[in-house]
Amino acid sequence: NAGVTQTPKFQVLKTGQSMTLQCAQDMNHNSMYWYRQDPGMGLRLIYYSASEGTTDKGEVPNGYNVSRLNKREFSLRLESAAPSQTSVYFCASNSNTYEQYFGPGTRLTVT
Amino acid sequence: GENVEQHPSTLSVQEGDSAVIKCTYSDSASNYFPWYKQELGKGPQLIIDIRSNVGEKKDQRIAVTLNKTAKHFSLHITETQPEDSAVYFCAANDFGNEKLTFGTGTRLTIIP
Repeated sequence: NAGVTQTPKFQVLKTGQSMTLQCAQDMNHNSMYWYRQDPGMGLRLIYYSASEGTTDKGEVPNGYNVSRLNKREFSLRLESAAPSQTSVYFCASNSNTYEQYFGPGTRLTVT
Repeated sequence: GENVEQHPSTLSVQEGDSAVIKCTYSDSASNYFPWYKQELGKGPQLIIDIRSNVGEKKDQRIAVTLNKTAKHFSLHITETQPEDSAVYFCAANDFGNEKLTFGTGTRLTIIP
């Protein structure tokens, strides 16, 4: 099992550009999450999906959209990137046991 | 919603000594408290967790204690080794759903 995979690993964008971060899990988990990690801020939840076809906002959803394409995949889209969105982005998934499994992260820089 | 505070933000410990990281939470309905370890360049990984019906849990050199009355929980690492150097996050669940609220992290450095 690959667990949780994320693409790309690194990305540099100019202000105003758009991009989609991809996430997939092969553990048949129902719930999937997108977090951002900034120095001194811990992991902050952007969006959450409890099951295929449902999504909910987390703590910091502004400037982002998500799609739960199917049970395996959960993508995060930045429509018009801003320097404040420079961060490391993590996708995670879990079963019904609360334990979350994280991907390796995407390091995004917006100039 | 839940609010989790974590201290200290950085901690340096001599190899072989013990390390303690502390967290407090705000929502008395929270009932699940995991600890994650994040090594450089990787995603966080669960190392131990505790539920509110238990006061202490151990797994080899790591242990977690929970004080529900005071709403705080702690991670204890004994006989520290260089491979324990990492960033550690505590978290608490939002009761009624599967979301976690994370603390701000502790960077632990083990000095050889």
